[in-house]
Amino acid sequence: DAKTTQPNSMESNEEEPVHLPCNHSTISGTDYIHWYRQLPSQGPEYVIHGLTSNVNNRMASLAIAEDRKSSTLILHRATLRDAAVYYCILRDTGTYKYIFGTGTRLKVLA
Amino acid sequence: DAGVIQSPRHEVTEMGQEVTLRCKPISGHNSLFWYRQTMMRGLELLIYFNNNVPIDDSGMPEDRFSAKMPNASFSTLKIQPSEPRDSAVYFCASSFGQYNQPQHFGDGTRLSIL
Repeated sequence: DAKTTQPNSMESNEEEPVHLPCNHSTISGTDYIHWYRQLPSQGPEYVIHGLTSNVNNRMASLAIAEDRKSSTLILHRATLRDAAVYYCILRDTGTYKYIFGTGTRLKVLA
Repeated sequence: DAGVIQSPRHEVTEMGQEVTLRCKPISGHNSLFWYRQTMMRGLELLIYFNNNVPIDDSGMPEDRFSAKMPNASFSTLKIQPSEPRDSAVYFCASSFGQYNQPQHFGDGTRLSIL
C-alpha cells in the first residue's frame, strides 16, 4: 500500500486559513486521496477526497499537485472546533480498506 | 439523520470476562467495518462485512475475537475471554458500497480490561 507523510503537528490562529500538507510520492494512478479528521473522543469523520482535480465541499478544499505526489487540505477559516487529528489516506479504487497513519494534530489558537 | 450508533460507550470489566460490543449502521448502508484504536498501533481494521457477509477478517487479532452481522441493521464484536491488552477504543463504521464511498464512523466504545 502506498504511504503518506504528514507533519506530526501544526498550529493555526482562529479565523485564518490552514494548509495541511501530505506527501505521497509512491501514489499509483488508481489511488484516490482521502482526508478524514478525528475530533477528541469521537470517531474519524470524512472530510473530502479526490483523484486528480482539485475538489471543494462545505468543509474544506483539496488541492492536488499536478504530478499527484502531494496534496494539501485547505480549511478556509479555522475555528476552535477544527482542532483535531487530520489523516491523509491513499485508497485504491479496487479496495475498501483505509490504512490510517499517525496524521497531523492541528491546534487552533484563539 | 441518525449516524452509526455504538453501545456501550464505555465498558470496564475484569480479565477473563466476555465482552460484547454492538453497532447499528446507518440505514441503507451495506458495508460495515470494525476498527480498533490504540496509542501504540493507531487505527486498525479488524473485520469487514458486505451485505451481512464477512469478507475480510484478516485483522482480527486472535480466535478470542469474533464478529457477527445477523441482519443489515446490527452487528456485534465479541471478545471471549478478554485480556488487558484488548483495552482500546473500538469503532464501527458503515458505508454504501465497497469502493470509493466514505465510511461513516460511530463514536466508539472505550474498553478497559482490568
